[in-house]
Amino acid sequence: ELKVEQNPLFLSMQEGKNYTIYCNYSTTSDRLYWYRQDPGKSLESLFVLLSNGAVKQEGRLMASLDTKARLSTLHITAAVHDLSATYFCAVVDSNYQLIWGAGTKLIIKP
Amino acid sequence: SAVISQKPSRDICQRGTSLTIQCQVDSQVTMMFWYRQQPGQSLTLIATANQGSEATYESGFVIDKFPISRPNLTFSTLTVSNMSPEDSSIYLCSVEEVGAFFGQGTRLTVV
Repeated sequence: ELKVEQNPLFLSMQEGKNYTIYCNYSTTSDRLYWYRQDPGKSLESLFVLLSNGAVKQEGRLMASLDTKARLSTLHITAAVHDLSATYFCAVVDSNYQLIWGAGTKLIIKP
Repeated sequence: SAVISQKPSRDICQRGTSLTIQCQVDSQVTMMFWYRQQPGQSLTLIATANQGSEATYESGFVIDKFPISRPNLTFSTLTVSNMSPEDSSIYLCSVEEVGAFFGQGTRLTVV
């Protein structure tokens, strides 16, 4: 059974700083997704990572996937207040279902 | 990417009543997924809805409580039956298309 562990669960940081959110998973998968969720809103797709070594960047966010280590990272560069949200990773299992991390609540202070 | 229209966006319901949530997709998809997200929590899969067959429910969810319809390849409904305050959550429909896409969510409050 695939399990997904996301950490940290809560992160408070200052604007301008860099930080990384980690997503570990327990069994083989070659699809991993990152999402952003604002309070009371639905999920917004950020990145789709489909292969080992995949790296994608959008603005101040960069995501990578290491399928051998079963690890994905979401790196935030020079954080700004608008990036405050909850971030989820999700991994596709062998039954093509999404297994979700617990989410990382990110608060960026001015 | 698929565009999903979900409604209602929110509702406040009396306990013991039922609410039907609708999702319309702008393209034909084989599977649609229904999730529940309780406050401050991650997503929990309720069921997978395939057109032309009964939905497949996850452990802890039953058809009598959460009946699902899937009349065609672009539409699905989820009904939350005989509601109690514990059913207060956000309900989300989703499709998978090299990345999962979500409807806007339905915020349900049961009083």
